[in-house]
Amino acid sequence: RKEVEQDPGPFNVPEGATVAFNCTYSNSASQSFFWYRQDCRKEPKLLMSVYSSGNEDGRFTAQLNRASQYISLLIRDSKLSDSATYLCVVNGGADSWGKFQFGAGTQVVVTP
Amino acid sequence: NAGVTQTPKFRILKIGQSMTLQCTQDMNHNYMYWYRQDPGMGLKLIYYSVGAGITDKGEVPNGYNVSRSTTEDFPLRLELAAPSQTSVYFCASSPQGGEKLFFGSGTQLSVL
Repeated sequence: RKEVEQDPGPFNVPEGATVAFNCTYSNSASQSFFWYRQDCRKEPKLLMSVYSSGNEDGRFTAQLNRASQYISLLIRDSKLSDSATYLCVVNGGADSWGKFQFGAGTQVVVTP
Repeated sequence: NAGVTQTPKFRILKIGQSMTLQCTQDMNHNYMYWYRQDPGMGLKLIYYSVGAGITDKGEVPNGYNVSRSTTEDFPLRLELAAPSQTSVYFCASSPQGGEKLFFGSGTQLSVL
């Protein structure tokens, strides 16, 4: 089983619509969680950290469910510029602190 | 604001050749990482370092070597290049182990 799993998509989303997708992780001792955005094989860029209580940054909302070991990302009012691959990143637990595990990414395509 | 600087951006190697990918960061970060990303896959950790003079293997270290003589520099050495090393390589840094990653712009390497 992969350490971090994501639905590869693509999620085809009309402009202005809402899209949400999840990421599951296998290490129950994982401590920190992030969503990164990657455009066409360029370097990943941090979209947002994911906190236990859930957090929002503008149109983006991230949730963490430790019991079921998944994190989620919701994008409201999708823009064409949101088209990208979204990477789920999980930091290892006590025995692998600082060693981030990456999902393969979820592709989002926002259409006019 | 240079951040993480990687060179070169592109390189073509012949089988059996060697090369060094350079990575420098000017943020005084302790943690530095080398990842590779194959098409449709997540980033895989090659090597990482928690400070000058300290390096450790990641998931896919075979065929690579690193050194960390200074806080700023973390070069990745490929010895005897093989076609399986064709990939996009990203260097990253982080202030501490569980904090967000700052990425370089990547090196696209082809081994023919």
